[in-house]
Amino acid sequence: EDQVTQSPEALRLQEGESSSLNCSYTVSGLRGLFWYRQDPGKGPEFLFTLYSAGEEKEKERLKATLTKKESFLHITAPKPEDSATYLCAVLGNTGKLIFGQGTTLQVKP
Amino acid sequence: EAGVAQSPRYKIIEKRQSVAFWCNPISGHATLYWYQQILGQGPKLLIQFQNNGVVDDSQLPKDRFSAERLKGVDSTLKIQPAKLEDSAVYLCASNRVRNEKLFFGSGTQLSVL
Repeated sequence: EDQVTQSPEALRLQEGESSSLNCSYTVSGLRGLFWYRQDPGKGPEFLFTLYSAGEEKEKERLKATLTKKESFLHITAPKPEDSATYLCAVLGNTGKLIFGQGTTLQVKP
Repeated sequence: EAGVAQSPRYKIIEKRQSVAFWCNPISGHATLYWYQQILGQGPKLLIQFQNNGVVDDSQLPKDRFSAERLKGVDSTLKIQPAKLEDSAVYLCASNRVRNEKLFFGSGTQLSVL
């Protein structure tokens, strides 16, 4: 059964304090690992797709990396507007996108 | 490009009542999904449509939940009768083809009292 576990559940950072969010997964035949951002009262918004181990993608202060067992979302010098819940999801041979429970990030000025 | 539209935005009902949610996906998106997101959890897939056919409804509680996608465009999700544990945000999403990134609507927040 495909599974996704994210850690930590919640993370508080000071503005400018870099950190990483973890996404551990088990999947039958990885077709893609997705990162989404979700703001309160809104639906998830797409950030990145990673397809194979060793792949990296960047967008502004965010960088996503992938290994065969986990993915990291690195946040460099975060700003208060980066505060949100970050969701990781895997797509395997079942064709079903399975989400983790999310990491809620709060960045204080 | 217009996003995924959902209505209503909020709904409060009593247990054993019925409720329906509506979704209009992005134009041209063949695949449509309904997800349930309970507070503090990630979205859980309820049903997936490809055009107007069901691809996966293995996690849909079929004794009380039903969904349809007429003419392969907009979709409705119905709960009848509702239970307390159905309190959640119901998210609709779409994409052009399966395996691509999903575009989500803002969701319908359901409270069952």
